[in-house]
Amino acid sequence: QQPVQSPQAVILREGEDAVINCSSSKALYSVHWYRQKHGEAPVFLMILLKGGEQKGHDKISASFNEKKQQSSLYLTASQLSYSGTYFCGTEFPDNYGQNFVFGPGTRLSVLP
Amino acid sequence: EAGVAQSPRYKIIEKRQSVAFWCNPISGHATLYWYQQILGQGPKLLIQFQNNGVVDDSQLPKDRFSAERLKGVDSTLKIQPAKLEDSAVYLCASSWSANEQFFGPGTRLTVL
Repeated sequence: QQPVQSPQAVILREGEDAVINCSSSKALYSVHWYRQKHGEAPVFLMILLKGGEQKGHDKISASFNEKKQQSSLYLTASQLSYSGTYFCGTEFPDNYGQNFVFGPGTRLSVLP
Repeated sequence: EAGVAQSPRYKIIEKRQSVAFWCNPISGHATLYWYQQILGQGPKLLIQFQNNGVVDDSQLPKDRFSAERLKGVDSTLKIQPAKLEDSAVYLCASSWSANEQFFGPGTRLTVL
C-alpha cells in the first residue's frame, strides 16, 4: 500500500533541477507533497487531485498521471532552502472509505 | 492564526510504562490525524478523526494504543504499555477538509 518514491536521495548544486517520483499500486484519489526539514514537522507543498492536473508553487511544480498512478515533483533552479526530505502522500479508497499513506521519502541536499 | 499545538515535546519512559500525548488542532479544523514517524521513515497514519468520530484506525495497534477526541476539538493519544519499538516522533495534524494537513511540532518519545 505504501507508495514507492525514487530516488531515495539526491544531491544537487544550487541552481540545478531535480525530479522526485512517486508511484502507487492503488487507484488514487489524490497525491499530496510535503517537505520536512531535519527536526521539524512536515510542511504542505501541494495537492493534486484525480484529473491529471499539474500544479506549481514558486519554482516547484508537480504532475499526476492517474492512469499510471504516478506523480512527479519538479524542483527548478534549486535553492539551499529546498534541502530536506520530500514525502508524497497518496489517498485511495479502501474498506474504511479513504486511506492515506505517506511514502518513505526522498532526501534532497542542495549544496552551494 | 495559531498552529497545531502538541505536548509534551519530549518524553522518556521505560518499557511497560504508560504515556499520553495531547494535541490541540487549529481552530475550526474538523479533521485530526495522529502519525507515528520512526527515524528515517515517512509518517505512518495511526488514526484519523472527523470531528469526534473515527474515520480510519486501521493502523492503530489497538492492544496498546488508544486515542480519543472529545467534543471534536482536542485529542489525546495513549500508549499502555509502551514497548521499545514505540520510540518515535508522534505527530498530530489537522485539516479543514481531507486536503492540506497542518502538522504540529511533534512529541519525541524514547522508550528505554
